[in-house]
Amino acid sequence: KNEVEQSPQNLTAQEGEFITINCSYSVGISALHWLQQHPGGGIVSLFMLSSGKKKHGRLIATINIQEKHSSLHITASHPRDSAVYICAVRPTDSWGKLQFGAGTQVVVTP
Amino acid sequence: EAQVTQNPRYLITVTGKKLTVTCSQNMNHEYMSWYRQDPGLGLRQIYYSMNVEVTDKGDVPEGYKVSRKEKRNFPLILESPSPNQTSLYFCASRGLAGLSEQFFGPGTRLTVL
Repeated sequence: KNEVEQSPQNLTAQEGEFITINCSYSVGISALHWLQQHPGGGIVSLFMLSSGKKKHGRLIATINIQEKHSSLHITASHPRDSAVYICAVRPTDSWGKLQFGAGTQVVVTP
Repeated sequence: EAQVTQNPRYLITVTGKKLTVTCSQNMNHEYMSWYRQDPGLGLRQIYYSMNVEVTDKGDVPEGYKVSRKEKRNFPLILESPSPNQTSLYFCASRGLAGLSEQFFGPGTRLTVL
């Protein structure tokens, strides 16, 4: 069983819609990453969180450490947001390791 | 420009022919790591290094070797590649101070025939 679960696996939205991707994990963590991977393969780090909430442009990431849950929100979605979004956690008992969720494929149609 | 570079970007090889994928970063990061990405399995960590001469296994280290002789370089070595090592490989780095962002290389697509 994967210790990092993402939902949904796939998501299709119309341009302008609000999108939410969820990430739940079962281990204690020191940090959680949200990553973006466009077709063609490159991976970009969007956020790194250990508590609370971060915002960058139209993207918002939140984390609830007690509930072991994080969400990534995309406001006013745009076709260029179409990508795979990946959640990854750094376990507290293994500082160098990074465990990944399976990813959420997001397609935003015009 | 801050970046992680990998070479080669694409490689087709045959079973058993030793190969090295290089990874280099110009941000003076202590931490470097290798991952592989496979359809249906997602990203998995192969090896990581917390600093020069300090390396440790990730979740899927079998069939791979690494070395960290210099801070900027972290090569991935496949001594005897097999077809099940056909994959997309990513190198990444970050600093160890506080909560540091992780920077990924562009990826190396390896095919082992």
